[in-house]
Amino acid sequence: KAGVTQTPRYLIKTRGQQVTLSCSPISGHRSVSWYQQTPGQGLQFLFEYFSETQRNKGNFPGRFSGRQFSNSRSEMNVSTLELGDSALYLCASSFTGTRGTDTQYFGPGTRLTVL
Amino acid sequence: KNEVEQSPQNLTAQEGEFITINCSYSVGISALHWLQQHPGGGIVSLFMLSSGKKKHGRLIATINIQEKHSSLHITASHPRDSAVYICAVRYGGSQGNLIFGKGTKLSVKP
Repeated sequence: KAGVTQTPRYLIKTRGQQVTLSCSPISGHRSVSWYQQTPGQGLQFLFEYFSETQRNKGNFPGRFSGRQFSNSRSEMNVSTLELGDSALYLCASSFTGTRGTDTQYFGPGTRLTVL
Repeated sequence: KNEVEQSPQNLTAQEGEFITINCSYSVGISALHWLQQHPGGGIVSLFMLSSGKKKHGRLIATINIQEKHSSLHITASHPRDSAVYICAVRYGGSQGNLIFGKGTKLSVKP
């Protein structure tokens, strides 16, 4: 069974631009969660999607948004990029997500650099 | 404020040593996770606990709900165990967000 895939793996953008990151979950998984990891703040929860609905949201500004498609693939978008958005963005998938007890499987991450 | 504290921040051990990483949290939780992150960023979920103890190979995770504390133990440590170990808790019932500790960087020397 293929694991969680994220594209692109590396991305360089400049301030003010916007970016879209993609996550393909493990086949059969309906939940996709997104996380941001920075050296200063560590890992932080961004949001969770389950069956195309945002079910849970972390404490991030509205510039961070996402969506999930009917095949469970998910995208996150960051508009008006700031230097502080430079981070590793990780997604994780599971059958039941944050409301369940099953394991989350993480993707390799997308490393975003904002210049 | 809901916080997750891990100790130590950094840990160096000799191969074969018994290792303990600690995690404390401030209020009641519905679940606690231990994650392992290798250089390069890949994260593996090791355990999810709501009570008691779980064991997988050389890894043991325990949680004490009354003391709001969890430990991750590694027996007979090996250089391949070198990684960052992250504790995460879910507050506010099953719908709560995950809050992460800063991680413990473990280096096991041969």
